[in-house]
Amino acid sequence: DAGVTQTPRHEVAEKGQTIILKCEPVSGHNDLFWYRQTKIQGLELLSYFRSKSLMEDGGAFKDRFKAEMLNSSFSTLKIQPTEPKDSAVYLCASSNRGGTEVFFGKGTRLTVV
Amino acid sequence: AQSVTQPDARVTVSEGASLQLRCKYSYSGTPYLFWYVQYPRQGLQLLLKYYSGDPVVQGVNGFEAEFSKSNSSFHLRKASVHWSDSAVYFCALSPDTNAYKVIFGKGTHLHVLP
Repeated sequence: DAGVTQTPRHEVAEKGQTIILKCEPVSGHNDLFWYRQTKIQGLELLSYFRSKSLMEDGGAFKDRFKAEMLNSSFSTLKIQPTEPKDSAVYLCASSNRGGTEVFFGKGTRLTVV
Repeated sequence: AQSVTQPDARVTVSEGASLQLRCKYSYSGTPYLFWYVQYPRQGLQLLLKYYSGDPVVQGVNGFEAEFSKSNSSFHLRKASVHWSDSAVYFCALSPDTNAYKVIFGKGTHLHVLP
C-alpha cells in the first residue's frame, strides 16, 4: 500500500508569491490533515477534512492559507501571499474514520525568501 | 485544557545504553496515548499506542512505554539503543477516537553516539 504522498519535497518561494502544496492520502482513508511543523511551535493543525468536507480550518491560519480536497484522493494547500514566517515543513496526514493512528507524508519543506 | 509536555528537548546517549524519554500529559480522564518517531527528512511514524489495559505497551524496534495515571506520564523506554534510533520522538494524546483531536508534544531529539 502506498502511504501518504506529498509533492514537492522542497519549495523555495519569494515573499508575496503563491505556492500550492499537494497531497495524496492513503487509499481509503476518510480523514485528511494538514500540519505545519516548526522547531519553536512543533506541530500545528492547519486543516482537517472528513470525507472531503472541511471540518477544521485552523483558526489563525485562515487568512492566507487555504486547503482544499478536490476528491477523496487529492488535496492541496495554497499559501497566498507567502511571507518569510511561513518557512516551515508542511505535513499532510490521513487516517481511517474513527481511527486514532495518523499516517504522515514525508512533508514539504518551504523556504520563503 | 489538554496538553502534552516533553521536558527534554534533546537527549544524547551512547550506543548500547538504555534510554528513557519523558512525557507528561494533562487530561482529566484517561486519554489515548501515542509515541511517534520522525527520522530525518521523513514524516512521523507510529511507534506504539496505549488505549487501556496493561500499562506497559510494546512497540516496534524494541521500544516500550509505560502509562502511569497517578503521575500523568507515558515514558518511552528502550533497553539498548542503536545509532539508527537517532531521530525526533513525539508523544501525543487524544481524548477519544477522533484523530483530528490528537495533540502532539514538541518532540525530543535523540542523538545516539556510535
